[in-house]
Amino acid sequence: TQLLEQSPQFLSIQEGENLTVYCNSSSVFSSLQWYRQEPGEGPVLLVTVVTGGEVKKLKRLTFQFGDARKDSSLHITAAQPGDTGLYLCAGAKPEYGNKLVFGAGTILRVKS
Amino acid sequence: DAGITQSPRYKITETGRQVTLMCHQTWSHSYMFWYRQDLGHGLRLIYYSAAADITDKGEVPDGYVVSRSKTENFPLTLESATRSQTSVYFCASRQGAGIETQYFGPGTRLLVL
Repeated sequence: TQLLEQSPQFLSIQEGENLTVYCNSSSVFSSLQWYRQEPGEGPVLLVTVVTGGEVKKLKRLTFQFGDARKDSSLHITAAQPGDTGLYLCAGAKPEYGNKLVFGAGTILRVKS
Repeated sequence: DAGITQSPRYKITETGRQVTLMCHQTWSHSYMFWYRQDLGHGLRLIYYSAAADITDKGEVPDGYVVSRSKTENFPLTLESATRSQTSVYFCASRQGAGIETQYFGPGTRLLVL
């Protein structure tokens, strides 16, 4: 059982559509990060959220940390083919020594 | 070039053989990590190190050995490879224990026949 559940697992959409990816847990995290991974490469950090209710924007990407710090979402507006990749959420908990726990990931494909 | 590198990038081996995956970072980061990535499981932590000569187990350490004699290197050894260790292995580094950016290497694809 994953400590962090991501949904959906796969998403295939047309260019220009909006989408939301979810990262849910029954545990509280001190912080949560979102990574994007392209084929043949390692994950690259997109954002870190720390405060419950926090919203961060990165161009067309909007990240939100739940009020209770148990969940997060990533919303992409007007998706582009360049957004294609694997999106991973990762949570940190002080009792884990701030080692990251990763979700299984969401594979996004944006078709032109 | 500065950054975090892994070698080899691809490796095919046979069951029972010893394999060592190398990881090198040029930032002098204190923390280094080894993960394996398998479909449906995301990234799972194998071992990590908080500094030279300090290592600790992660979520899936069985069958793996690590060492860290120098800050910049963190090799991962599969003592006797098994088919279940076929995976993509990622090394990562981070400066501190907090919420700083964790940087990943490009990965090593390992196939155990």
